[in-house]
Amino acid sequence: ETGVTQSPTHLIKTRGQQVTLRCSSQSGHNTVSWYQQALGQGPQFIFQYYREEENGRGNFPPRFSGLQFPNYSSELNVNALELDDSALYLCASSLTADYGYTFGSGTRLTVV
Amino acid sequence: QKEVEQNSGPLSVPEGAIASLNCTYSDRGSQSFFWYRQYSGKSPELIMFIYSNGDKEDGRFTAQLNKASQYVSLLIRDSQPSDSATYLCAAYYGKLTFGQGTILTVHP
Repeated sequence: ETGVTQSPTHLIKTRGQQVTLRCSSQSGHNTVSWYQQALGQGPQFIFQYYREEENGRGNFPPRFSGLQFPNYSSELNVNALELDDSALYLCASSLTADYGYTFGSGTRLTVV
Repeated sequence: QKEVEQNSGPLSVPEGAIASLNCTYSDRGSQSFFWYRQYSGKSPELIMFIYSNGDKEDGRFTAQLNKASQYVSLLIRDSQPSDSATYLCAAYYGKLTFGQGTILTVHP
């Protein structure tokens, strides 16, 4: 059973650019959620997908968007990058959310 | 008021002592509660979850939930230096909402 994998592990982008982060959920997990974690803070919920449909969104602007594919893998897209978007982006998957989410190792995004 | 709030740290305890981590939540609809451990530069790792009032024990870890007081805690018995990490409390009600984390240091 493979865990949650994210790519890339590190990324440096310039302000104004666009970025796509990828996540493969744990085998059999049909729910994927994305989080942004700034240094010294807890993860902040961005949005969640269940069977390819967005079923929850946090307080993030529309330039943060996502997709979930039929194999339950997912993408996070961020347009018009700002310096404050620099953070660790975490993907987590779950089969039964009441029993917790498994996190990937994250993508460290630096916007310069 | 933050949705999930953790006791301010950092918390420092000697090896072998009991570490006590506390968390309060504001949404009474929250159904399940989780404690994650996060080592520096790593992603969160689930260590305990609880959804019924009372205590739940797993090895050296005990999670406690009091829904009337909207309070969750984690006790770590016989603390080890390897327990030194940031501990994140999270509440689930359609989504996971995390607290800001408490840094725990266990010194030899």
